[in-house]
Amino acid sequence: GENVEQHPSTLSVQEGDSAVIKCTYSDSASNYFPWYKQELGKRPQLIIDIRSNVGEKKDQRIAVTLNKTAKHFSLHITETQPEDSAVYFCARRNNNDMRFGAGTRLTVKP
Amino acid sequence: KAGVTQTPRYLIKTRGQQVTLSCSPISGHRSVSWYQQTPGQGLQFLFEYFSETQRNKGNFPGRFSGRQFSNSRSEMNVSTLELGDSALYLCASRWDTNYGYTFGSGTRLTVV
Repeated sequence: GENVEQHPSTLSVQEGDSAVIKCTYSDSASNYFPWYKQELGKRPQLIIDIRSNVGEKKDQRIAVTLNKTAKHFSLHITETQPEDSAVYFCARRNNNDMRFGAGTRLTVKP
Repeated sequence: KAGVTQTPRYLIKTRGQQVTLSCSPISGHRSVSWYQQTPGQGLQFLFEYFSETQRNKGNFPGRFSGRQFSNSRSEMNVSTLELGDSALYLCASRWDTNYGYTFGSGTRLTVV
């Protein structure tokens, strides 16, 4: 009940295409779902988050959707650019800790 | 304001030694969490502290321990180091339950 499953582990898209990364969780006490972007050699950076009382959130080219019933949430990146290339981590948090997915290595080919 | 500060940035130790890593959270943040990052293993949760109390602990052996001080600074200690402990150790802080984490740059530990 602690872990987060993240798919796919690698994703390669052409510049301008959309990218979708999906995560599932099992802990029903989870109430906060952030997404982090980690570029090579750098720290993970929060890019977007969603709370359990919201179904969708958008910030420019990035959107996150949450289906609490099915216990899954997704990151959508539209009009991808080469600088979007990085490892993306989803996470879920309950009142005690935050657990991460294994990460998705996104490559955007120019 | 200053971000999350981790020291040292790099560390080389030999098997059997112990090591202490330090994390200074963003001013005002009371929660500090520690993660181990290795290639292919993502971010593995070690423990979380809030107001000097450990709130949860991940699935790591007892050689891994931590603590948090009254000023919210946290330390992580690993005793009897093994080669497999080589990793990037990340610390993250947050204001309270309903806020996201901000990560430090990490301490890269190499055990030889």
